[in-house]
Amino acid sequence: EIVMTQSPATLSVSPGERATLSCRASQSVSSKLAWYQQKPGQAPRLLIYGASTRATGVPGRFSGSGSGTEFTLTISSLQSEDFAVYYCQQYHNWPPLTFGGGTKVEMK
Amino acid sequence: EVQLVQSGAEVKKPGESLKISCQGSGYSFAGYWIGWVRQMPGKGLESIGVIYPGDSDTRYSPSFQGQVTISVDKSINTAYLQWSSLKASDTAMYYCARHPGGTGIWFDPWGQGTLVTVSS
Repeated sequence: EIVMTQSPATLSVSPGERATLSCRASQSVSSKLAWYQQKPGQAPRLLIYGASTRATGVPGRFSGSGSGTEFTLTISSLQSEDFAVYYCQQYHNWPPLTFGGGTKVEMK
Repeated sequence: EVQLVQSGAEVKKPGESLKISCQGSGYSFAGYWIGWVRQMPGKGLESIGVIYPGDSDTRYSPSFQGQVTISVDKSINTAYLQWSSLKASDTAMYYCARHPGGTGIWFDPWGQGTLVTVSS
């Protein structure tokens, strides 16, 4: 099973600042990585797939990068609606599909 | 618009059986993988398994194999997740989600979730 590790667990950021979230795989997943956003009381929402392709309707301030074992989700200028928990998920070797433990982006 | 609508919240006792549902609309249901994901209270996301409605090909995550059953009725565009004997540790929010196509499995969109509470 591929283990996904996200860091940091919590990221405190002020509105307008850049946020950089990391996701590491225990073995290479090529570019088969997705990112999701989950707000309290809501279902997750797809942001990125293929490590760097934005899903339909996702604002341009969200960008994904990386391949192999190291991935980054960047939010270029945080808006109030971006405070949420973010998860990465690999789909290179499954089952099982595996998710990271999440990074909570909170207001500083 | 592609939508997945899940059945309502359930409160059950340990040892009881349960089947929750996920109905798809706005697309050709048989042609896209559907997955189930567990989220225990205050915790992260865990993949339970996926099913291809076209031929009922089902893949379980090893930790859920034998614990749950995933099935589908494509005549009514509905996928199911069922338990034969619930445990308190099955208390969680359960999401269904569709894979939109392409190599591998990622999920978009997601259903609204079904909260399952198991308590004596």
